[in-house]
Amino acid sequence: GAGVSQSPRYKVAKRGQDVALRCDPISGHVSLFWYQQALGQGPEFLTYFQNEAQLDKSGLPSDRFFAERPEGSVSTLKIQRTQQEDSAVYLCASSLDRDAVLSGNTIYFGEGSWLTVV
Amino acid sequence: EDKVVQSPLSLVVHEGDTVTLNCSYEVTNFRSLLWYKQEKKAPTFLFMLTSSGIEKKSGRLSSILDKKELSSILNITATQTGDSAIYLCAEGTNAGKSTFGDGTTLTVKP
Repeated sequence: GAGVSQSPRYKVAKRGQDVALRCDPISGHVSLFWYQQALGQGPEFLTYFQNEAQLDKSGLPSDRFFAERPEGSVSTLKIQRTQQEDSAVYLCASSLDRDAVLSGNTIYFGEGSWLTVV
Repeated sequence: EDKVVQSPLSLVVHEGDTVTLNCSYEVTNFRSLLWYKQEKKAPTFLFMLTSSGIEKKSGRLSSILDKKELSSILNITATQTGDSAIYLCAEGTNAGKSTFGDGTTLTVKP
């Protein structure tokens, strides 16, 4: 596709339910990032993939959060046993280069998946 | 812990005004500073700055980095209502991770 595509756009989950959020990056993009953005705050880093390798998962808030990118393209962020504090927009971004923040190439964000846990 | 602080938190101006948005950072291993515009929910990339004192310009937007002061500014001249958005500053500490500020919400009134 032309841009980074995320689904679902909106998800309401009952507390304790598991959710899976999907990201389709731009075709051929090596780097893929997940961020969590709470209302009124900037995005917070969750995890980073270079192709299928998860190089940094230091931002995942707990072991309830799991991300994968098994074939180096589509990525899924899974949240188990959701809690109210998980309510946020989950942003996915991709970039052509391995060193996205220094390459000069732009980093493209999707429109996010808005998760509300009730 | 790396930190990025933006000011002001919000700003309301009228069309035609010039605005300056500020970003300061505290990082252990600076590599680059990035500016994004966020409308709805998809941040769009504006600028990447790595060298101090070199202005980057795109139309009515410009940005410059001051490594001595650990800060950057984003200027928008002749503002238009379409400039209304959240402007995010981020520091790229390594290949995969950016530390974002909480953004400046700009509202441009007709």
